[in-house]
Order: sequence, then structure tokens, then C-alpha cells
Amino acid sequence: EPEVTQTPSHQVTQMGQEVILRCVPISNHLYFYWYRQILGQKVEFLVSFYNNEISEKSEIFDDQFSVERPDGSNFTLKIRSTKLEDSAMYFCASQKTSFQETQYFGPGTRLLVL
Amino acid sequence: LAKTTQPISMDSYEGQEVNITCSHNNIATNDYITWYQQFPSQGPRFIIQGYKTKVTNEVASLFIPADRKSSTLSLPRVSLSDTAVYYCLVGDAPQTGANNLFFGTGTRLTVIP
Repeated sequence: EPEVTQTPSHQVTQMGQEVILRCVPISNHLYFYWYRQILGQKVEFLVSFYNNEISEKSEIFDDQFSVERPDGSNFTLKIRSTKLEDSAMYFCASQKTSFQETQYFGPGTRLLVL
Repeated sequence: LAKTTQPISMDSYEGQEVNITCSHNNIATNDYITWYQQFPSQGPRFIIQGYKTKVTNEVASLFIPADRKSSTLSLPRVSLSDTAVYYCLVGDAPQTGANNLFFGTGTRLTVIP
């Protein structure tokens, strides 16, 4: 069964550093998402992406965040200058079409900002 | 988005049927009800989706009464590997545009040997 993959599985970084989290969505999917989950808290929507542009973003997704689909397969989330509160599990998800389709989540990247 | 209310946690013995009920009093006409499962340190995984009455797949059943103000996820004969957090989500799946998911706190199911 096709699956969403994410790299790295874990990342430790210093506050203020830039990080790029990578995702490879399922190949024939059109919609892409990033979510995050702070330890012990609920999964939070960050951003959705379709047709090479952002569809929607949440309040969490401020100017420090950006997304890109540089080569038609990878889907990246960049955090320009990490803060301690960015420490969380980041999940990528993809969806074939929008209507009633299942979102498939990746295994996540655990980001720890020191 | 309709607000959902679920029990924070439930315990069950192996082999029993587990029913997790979700309240969504403000569900809109176009809203679907979707359940996801999340194991520790993994991404959520789709379980089942329904609009009304009963839906069954190889994993679970979803019961939705006529007024649609609640729904019940039924897991038959749970095993230890069903220990996870179960999320009830209510929202419309747009014909066009992204279908952003908004998770609540979910129900933490613990299956006891």
C-alpha cells in the first residue's frame, strides 16, 4: 500500500536555527497538508497546499513558516528561525482529491528545539 | 465547524466490543463524521467515515442516529494493539479546495489483557 514518508524522523536544533522537514506524499495525490502535535496535546492544522500554492493556513503558520514543493515529489516545511515552542511532532498528510477522500498521514518528524 | 465531545479515556478488556460515542449537537447538513486512530508517536490513521445510519468496514462500524447529533464508533473484539487515541471529526468535505482537519482531544482507549 502506498504511504507518505517523512525525513528526518528526529531532528534536534538550536533556537534560532532554520530547519527543513521533508515529506514525500503519495504519488497521485493532489492535496498536501502539514500538521503538528506538541507533546501531550492535540493534532493542530498548520497549512494546506494545492496546485503549487497555499490553500489555507492557520494562525500558527506565521512568517517563520513556509512550504514548498520544489520538484513535484517532495513537499517541505521550513521553519526559518526556530523557537523553543516549535518543539513538536510534525506530520505531513496527502489526499487524492478533496471530496470525502481519506487523508494519509506520514509517520512524523519529531523536532526538538534547544 | 461542529464542536465534538468525546470521553477523555476508556478502558476495555481484550476480546470485548468497545463503543466510543461522540456528541456533535451542532452538526450541519453537509457535515460528514470521520474517525481517526492515532498510536503513540505515529500519525493519525483513517478508520471510518459516515453521513447517516450505519457504516461498516473491516475495522469498525459507525452508528449514526437519525438526528445525527451523535455517533458511535464500535470496535469489535478489541485486542491490545487497539490501544490508541480515537478522534471524532465532523465537517464537510468540500467539492473543491483543501479539506483541513481539526482534531479534538480524542478518546484514549486502553485495552487491558
